Amino acid sequence: GEDVEQSLFLSVREGDSSVINCTYTDSSSTYLYWYKQEPGAGLQLLTYIFSNMDMKQDQRLTVLLNKKDKHLSLRIADTQTGDSAIYFCAEVKEQAGTALIFGKGTTLSVSS
Amino acid sequence: DADVTQTPRNRITKTGKRIMLECSQTKGHDRMYWYRQDPGLGLRLIYYSFDVKDINKGEISDGYSVSRQAQAKFSLSLESAIPNQTALYFCATSEGTSGSDEQFFGPGTRLTVL
Repeated sequence: GEDVEQSLFLSVREGDSSVINCTYTDSSSTYLYWYKQEPGAGLQLLTYIFSNMDMKQDQRLTVLLNKKDKHLSLRIADTQTGDSAIYFCAEVKEQAGTALIFGKGTTLSVSS
Repeated sequence: DADVTQTPRNRITKTGKRIMLECSQTKGHDRMYWYRQDPGLGLRLIYYSFDVKDINKGEISDGYSVSRQAQAKFSLSLESAIPNQTALYFCATSEGTSGSDEQFFGPGTRLTVL
């Protein structure tokens, strides 16, 4: 199966919360990441969580990690139109020398 | 100035041609990576390098080669381009020390093989 899985699309209204989900398979991953890709741009690290944490909050972003189910989620509070982008979940593949294994990306569309 | 730059930004070439994509970084990082992005498939690792003398194949290295000319430069070559290599190519760097080892991405090169 795929290493990292995400739903492909999410559509929300401005001001609502967005929740993007991700499942991964490598239980030895030490860090899990969320990257953001805006149209026509490269990827930018949004946030990350260390595997011994359950939750991390950074302003409007909340990352939840369920190690038992290998499930990671990103919650964006008060979603804005500027949050429209593709969001990638990624895990570190130790066998690939800390290179990242990415999910296919979730396209977040925010309507006003 | 951008920390990770890629040239060219866009390239159209024909089947069978040799093409080189270049990546330069001013971050002083030892680790560099090449990924390709295809619609609906996310990013996949082509090659990675921990330093000038250490180059490793990634998930999809067939049809590609790389050269680490210096700490700051990592080039990706397609010896004989084929249409299914049409994709968006990203270079990335990381420091490689303890911690989250954040990867910093270049703006990408959009390659079209006709």
